[in-house]
Amino acid sequence: DAEITQSPRHKITETGRQVTLACHQTWNHNNMFWYRQDLGHGLRLIHYSYGVHDTNKGEVSDGYSVSRSNTEDLPLTLESAASSQTSVYFCASSEFGGGSTDTQYFGPGTRLTVL
Amino acid sequence: QKEVEQNSGPLSVPEGAIASLNCTYSDRGSQSFFWYRQYSGKSPELIMFIYSNGDKEDGRFTAQLNKASQYVSLLIRDSQPSDSATYLCAVNMGGNKLVFGAGTILRVKS
Repeated sequence: DAEITQSPRHKITETGRQVTLACHQTWNHNNMFWYRQDLGHGLRLIHYSYGVHDTNKGEVSDGYSVSRSNTEDLPLTLESAASSQTSVYFCASSEFGGGSTDTQYFGPGTRLTVL
Repeated sequence: QKEVEQNSGPLSVPEGAIASLNCTYSDRGSQSFFWYRQYSGKSPELIMFIYSNGDKEDGRFTAQLNKASQYVSLLIRDSQPSDSATYLCAVNMGGNKLVFGAGTILRVKS
């Protein structure tokens, strides 16, 4: 069955280290998104991509980067991890290109702790 | 700043009752609206979406949209303990970018 996976599921790192979170989908979806979820803030958009080699900044992009070299993967990199980036990170994907009723499907999430 | 507001709850209802979850949004030009359910420690899963004024029903769930009032709601009929979760309202504010509310915690008591 098609699916969206994230790895690792849990990660503990130290302040200042570079961290990369993986997201892989097998639906062949054009659109992919990264969110972070913090208590009291709901889900906030970090970066998104509408296709290969396309990346865009979301609401809370500072300190994060993404690259899209193929349809299936959108890795999220924290250039220099900070304690404020301790959060649960969700990857999502959707099928169509920018349509208003596209449904986003979420991966299982990565819980990141920055000490 | 485009915003989506939800009452954080918890909303407590007895088993078998109707649960009513509400959401307001700031961008009058928003075209589509989504309700996701999220169990503790899990990822959001779509319940339903709506993009036309009025009601949309799917089983025990009914989404209601009033664009003039910038208001969307979710009704859950015959609430079950398994419906206990956080319900996230999301609004597509262009380019399939969703803005989420902080979520309403629903507790269904048996």
